Amino acid sequence: NAGVTQTPKFQVLKTGQSMTLQCAQDMNHNSMYWYRQDPGMGLRLIYYSASEGTTDKGEVPNGYNVSRLNKREFSLRLESAAPSQTSVYFCASSDAPKKGAFFGQGTRLTVV
Amino acid sequence: RKEVEQDPGPFNVPEGATVAFNCTYSNSASQSFFWYRQDCRKEPKLLMSVYSSGNEDGRFTAQLNRASQYISLLIRDSKLSDSATYLCVVTPSNDYKLSFGAGTTVTVRA
Repeated sequence: NAGVTQTPKFQVLKTGQSMTLQCAQDMNHNSMYWYRQDPGMGLRLIYYSASEGTTDKGEVPNGYNVSRLNKREFSLRLESAAPSQTSVYFCASSDAPKKGAFFGQGTRLTVV
Repeated sequence: RKEVEQDPGPFNVPEGATVAFNCTYSNSASQSFFWYRQDCRKEPKLLMSVYSSGNEDGRFTAQLNRASQYISLLIRDSKLSDSATYLCVVTPSNDYKLSFGAGTTVTVRA
């Protein structure tokens, strides 16, 4: 029972490099989310996808792009990484808002 | 004003004690409420939903006060394994976004 799987688990980037964080869920959930978590700030929503084919900005979308590739997969892309994007990134999925969401194990990203 | 606010704590309690803490939310149209638990360097995990009538899951009791716009979590007979950060989560009406509080840290000591 994999649930939500994120890759990679750890990554170090140089400023200006690009990368894509991958997320896949096997629970047939409609909604998927990308959050970042920084010390003392809690989880902040970057982008979400309420259903396949739709994406919407969250609280902190600048510097990121997303793709809802299909119902299972939701990727997050950093086009030109900046040190301010050093964070822990969590992907989550949900069947419906009233049911809460389930999280992947996170990606620890450091931008130097 | 933040959408969801929590007392960061830490709450340091001995084993067997009862600990309780609240979370306030700013959007009166919020419809769904949850408590999540997050262990150090791990992902958040759903602890329990919070219903209007209040609900209990073993040693954990959650309450919702819509008039004052807060939810609460009470942990009875605390165990060492209850040490974690507890995150309050709120979902506005007809919206798929989940808004997280910054968390309340609980440390249970032997």
